[in-house]
Amino acid sequence: SQKIEQNSEALNIQEGKTATLTCNYTNYSPAYLQWYRQDPGRGPVFLLLIRENEKEKRKERLKVTFDTTLKQSLFHITASQPADSATYLCAPYSGGGADGLTFGKGTHLIIQP
Amino acid sequence: SQTIHQWPATLVQPVGSPLSLECTVEGTSNPNLYWYRQAAGRGLQLLFYSVGIGQISSEVPQNLSASRPQDRQFILSSKKLLLSDSGFYLCAWRGWGYDYGYTFGSGTRLTVV
Repeated sequence: SQKIEQNSEALNIQEGKTATLTCNYTNYSPAYLQWYRQDPGRGPVFLLLIRENEKEKRKERLKVTFDTTLKQSLFHITASQPADSATYLCAPYSGGGADGLTFGKGTHLIIQP
Repeated sequence: SQTIHQWPATLVQPVGSPLSLECTVEGTSNPNLYWYRQAAGRGLQLLFYSVGIGQISSEVPQNLSASRPQDRQFILSSKKLLLSDSGFYLCAWRGWGYDYGYTFGSGTRLTVV
């Protein structure tokens, strides 16, 4: 069956450092992969989408990589700030229709001042 | 710009009572609409999706149903709530094409007592 794995333990990073979150998937051949941010009590917010033929994508302090051989995506936040503290969800998508995304359980990121 | 409205924000209902949660989207037409549930400490679970009026696809057999009476309205219902129906319910929409991320509503926190 399809499986998405994200670090289940909270990730503590010191302010100013780069935070790196991992998303591994099995039994998927995603056409693209999305990353979302979720704050407590709120709905997820879309951050970035990367296609299978893109190795890397950037948006301001965010960078996403996508390795279809390793079946892995890495999500980086550079110059991290306490305001970046949240849960980050990945969602690989095989495409082909309007059926909904399946999300990983997310990694809780804590940026320590 | 597109916005998504979801209400109520919180709801406490007794076991066996009915449920109706409403979601409306503004600023777009013919969106793909989705209902997700997030139980405490768990990931997002896709419940239903809809590609048009009267078209509902169910992902998980359960005590819930969904309807789409108008293009930009999506309703989640139950005739008799169970304790296990407690959770955070999120409505989301996606525009046509694979490049778009999902836009989520603010969610409804449902507690069944």
